Amino acid sequence: DAMVIQNPRYQVTQFGKPVTLSCSQTLNHNVMYWYQQKSSQAPKLLFHYYDKDFNNEADTPDNFQSRRPNTSFCFLDIRSPGLGDAAMYLCATSRENEQFFGPGTRLTVL
Amino acid sequence: ILNVEQSPQSLHVQEGDSTNFTCSFPSSNFYALHWYRWETAKSPEALFVMTLNGDEKKKGRISATLNTKEGYSYLYIKGSQPEDSATYLCASGRGSTLGRLYFGRGTQLTVWP
Repeated sequence: DAMVIQNPRYQVTQFGKPVTLSCSQTLNHNVMYWYQQKSSQAPKLLFHYYDKDFNNEADTPDNFQSRRPNTSFCFLDIRSPGLGDAAMYLCATSRENEQFFGPGTRLTVL
Repeated sequence: ILNVEQSPQSLHVQEGDSTNFTCSFPSSNFYALHWYRWETAKSPEALFVMTLNGDEKKKGRISATLNTKEGYSYLYIKGSQPEDSATYLCASGRGSTLGRLYFGRGTQLTVWP
């Protein structure tokens, strides 16, 4: 089945230790998104790619970076995770008006 | 930033009850309203994408309506079943945002057998 895959599903890191979350898709969609959802809050868009064109949201901290080496893969790098970065991170793709989500990676920062 | 509100935050109903919840969003520059169902440990699943004022969509026992002039959408579940237990998220996109979605916090539905 065509889908959006996120690895790992659960990630534990230490305060200040860089961490990378990965997302892959078999849908061949040209747009990919990263959302952050903190406990009991709305998912919040961090950035998105339209093909290789990177679009950062104005309020996304500099600590968050992203890479998209090809159509299928997109990575979220957190350079120095703080306790406040503990959240669910959702990856999504879209081609037209509908977004397709992965199951998310839950990040814990110790 | 586009403020999307959902109510109630959580809802507990008995199997067989019908239920509904609300999503409100700014009506200016409206483009589309999305409803998702998100079960624990799974991917959010798209239920509906609605674009036209007065739109009504239905999928099985679940239906949704849209009022873009006053900025709200209702999601209805008829005869709730335990498998309907999930968080229901709505998200609004504006014409100028090229696919960006602004989500509400969701309504967490629990259906007791």
